[in-house]
Amino acid sequence: NAGVTQTPKFQVLKTGQSMTLQCAQDMNHEYMSWYRQDPGMGLRLIHYSVGAGITDQGEVPNGYNVSRSTTEDFPLRLLSAAPSQTSVYFCASSYGQGQNTEAFFGQGTRLTVV
Amino acid sequence: AQKVTQAQTEISVVEKEDVTLDCVYETRDTTYYLFWYKQPPSGELVFLIRRNSFDEQNEISGRYSWNFQKSTSSFNFTITASQVVDSAVYFCALSEHYNTNAGKSTFGDGTTLTVKP
Repeated sequence: NAGVTQTPKFQVLKTGQSMTLQCAQDMNHEYMSWYRQDPGMGLRLIHYSVGAGITDQGEVPNGYNVSRSTTEDFPLRLLSAAPSQTSVYFCASSYGQGQNTEAFFGQGTRLTVV
Repeated sequence: AQKVTQAQTEISVVEKEDVTLDCVYETRDTTYYLFWYKQPPSGELVFLIRRNSFDEQNEISGRYSWNFQKSTSSFNFTITASQVVDSAVYFCALSEHYNTNAGKSTFGDGTTLTVKP
């Protein structure tokens, strides 16, 4: 079982560039989320999805877009990278149907915007 | 709105000491779920425990134990006889039940535990 797979693991962007962080899960989970982790802080929710075709904003959505066309994939798009988006990004998935089981996390993507 | 507070930013103990990590939460829901995750220096996030709001039984798993008290909105985590391998950042998280919020978890800022040999 691959679990939750994030790519790339590391990325350096120039200010203003755009890119997509990929996230895929093979556990048939309904719920998927994107978090960012900054030094000394917990995980802050960027966007989340409770199923294919359904997405919603989290705590810090500005500058990011998401879509959920399939159950398996939940890509995160940075529209115009800014140094403030330098962070470690985690994708997570969990079972839905109100069970609120634990989240399975990807290995993280360390993004640096210069 | 939901909130999780981990007041202890950093804790340092000597191996074999017991240590308790505090977690206080706020939610208006009557049904919710609480979690603890561990993030070792390698960076991955590892699930430790899940507890729902209707189950106030304490739980013990090896050297780990959890004390859930709804009356004080706390879900504390104790490591008994700590080991160097327990050194990590520990996160407490809260998830609401209802579908409109069910995909969201709110995390505390984490407690960095250092266990010295």
